[in-house]
Amino acid sequence: ESVLTQSPGTLSLSPGESATLSCRSSASLSNIYIAWYQQKPGQAPRLLIYGASNRAAGIPDRFTGSGSGTDFTLTISRLDPEDFAVYYCQQYGDSFGPGTTVEIK
Amino acid sequence: EVQLVESGGGLVQPGGSLRLSCATSGFTFNRYWMIWVRQAPGKGLEWVAKINQYGSEGYYAESMKGRVTISRDDSKNSVFLQMNSLRGEDTALYYCARDADSGHALSHWGRGTLVTVSS
Repeated sequence: ESVLTQSPGTLSLSPGESATLSCRSSASLSNIYIAWYQQKPGQAPRLLIYGASNRAAGIPDRFTGSGSGTDFTLTISRLDPEDFAVYYCQQYGDSFGPGTTVEIK
Repeated sequence: EVQLVESGGGLVQPGGSLRLSCATSGFTFNRYWMIWVRQAPGKGLEWVAKINQYGSEGYYAESMKGRVTISRDDSKNSVFLQMNSLRGEDTALYYCARDADSGHALSHWGRGTLVTVSS
């Protein structure tokens, strides 16, 4: 079982700026198994990206997933106030990363 | 509209048992893997268990292996999580989630049911 780490733990940014979130695996993973989720306080997680780079239904194109092997990235361009939340990567059917909090600076 | 509604959570003493249920609607239940994920208060997400669409294969996180059993009843469009020998560290919000159509991800989630293990 691979272990996922996410960095940074917290990102402090202003609306309109871009965010780059990293997810690293302890073992090489197939892209098809990497997903990203957004979670806001008091809500269930929401799927953003599947297969490392495919946006889920209804997800704005300011969310972009990329990467391969052991290094994966979620980029959020032009942060909207509704984007401030916690983001998790997941190796499908298995472990989640510890999360990155994107907070308003 | 896809809906997943968890129930069965509550306060239980250490060493006790609970059976969580997840009632679903809005999709063909017997075509999807179903997954349980939990989140301790103020903590991150932790995968707990998953079951294939046939109910023939169940997989478990190491943290709960031997203490939980996942099952499903296609006639009721429901998935269950039987939890035994509960510990304080099992206190969490337990989410039910459904496999995505188009990829290996969890596309639909319930709101969760809270399990509190305390004397």
